[in-house]
Amino acid sequence: KAGVTQTPRYLIKTRGQQVTLSCSPISGHRSVSWYQQTPGQGLQFLFEYFSETQRNKGNFPGRFSGRQFSNSRSEMNVSTLELGDSALYLCASRPGTSGGFQETQYFGPGTRLLVL
Amino acid sequence: GQNIDQPTEMTATEGAIVQINCTYQTSGFNGLFWYQQHAGEAPTFLSYNVLDGLEEKGRFSSFLSRSKGYSYLLLKELQMKDSASYLCAVRDREASGGSYIPTFGRGTSLIVHP
Repeated sequence: KAGVTQTPRYLIKTRGQQVTLSCSPISGHRSVSWYQQTPGQGLQFLFEYFSETQRNKGNFPGRFSGRQFSNSRSEMNVSTLELGDSALYLCASRPGTSGGFQETQYFGPGTRLLVL
Repeated sequence: GQNIDQPTEMTATEGAIVQINCTYQTSGFNGLFWYQQHAGEAPTFLSYNVLDGLEEKGRFSSFLSRSKGYSYLLLKELQMKDSASYLCAVRDREASGGSYIPTFGRGTSLIVHP
């Protein structure tokens, strides 16, 4: 079974631009979560999508948004990029049954975003 | 909210045993995870504890004490490839929307030297 895939793997943008990152979950997984990882803050939860609906959201500004498609693939968008948005953006998927109580998340390789 | 603490960095010798501690404070508890993350790679799942006690899986074991808000990851027979960051993550009680969101600690960077 293929793992979680993310595209692109690396991205360089300038301040003020916007960016869209893509995540394809493991086949059969309906829940997709996004995380931002930086050396200073560690791994921080952005949001979770399940069945095309945002189910939970972390403490990030509205510039960060996402969506999920009917095939469970997800995209996240960051508008008006700031230097502090430079980070590794990780996507994680899990089956999404039973509220996730017994489920493990499986992470993708991440997209490394550099904002200049 | 949650507060998760783990040491920033640890060093150990190849072949030795190392214990990485994690303490947490949470308003509700629904499981604790340990992940391993090599530099430049995604975190990979190591263990999951929801009940008190020790879970053993090969060279790695994880322990949980819910009353103390404490967990540790024990790595035996250390190998050079074990040099990585180890992330402790706690899942709180059900968040809105019927889901459980884990909160991650900042990770412990383990350096294994010959």
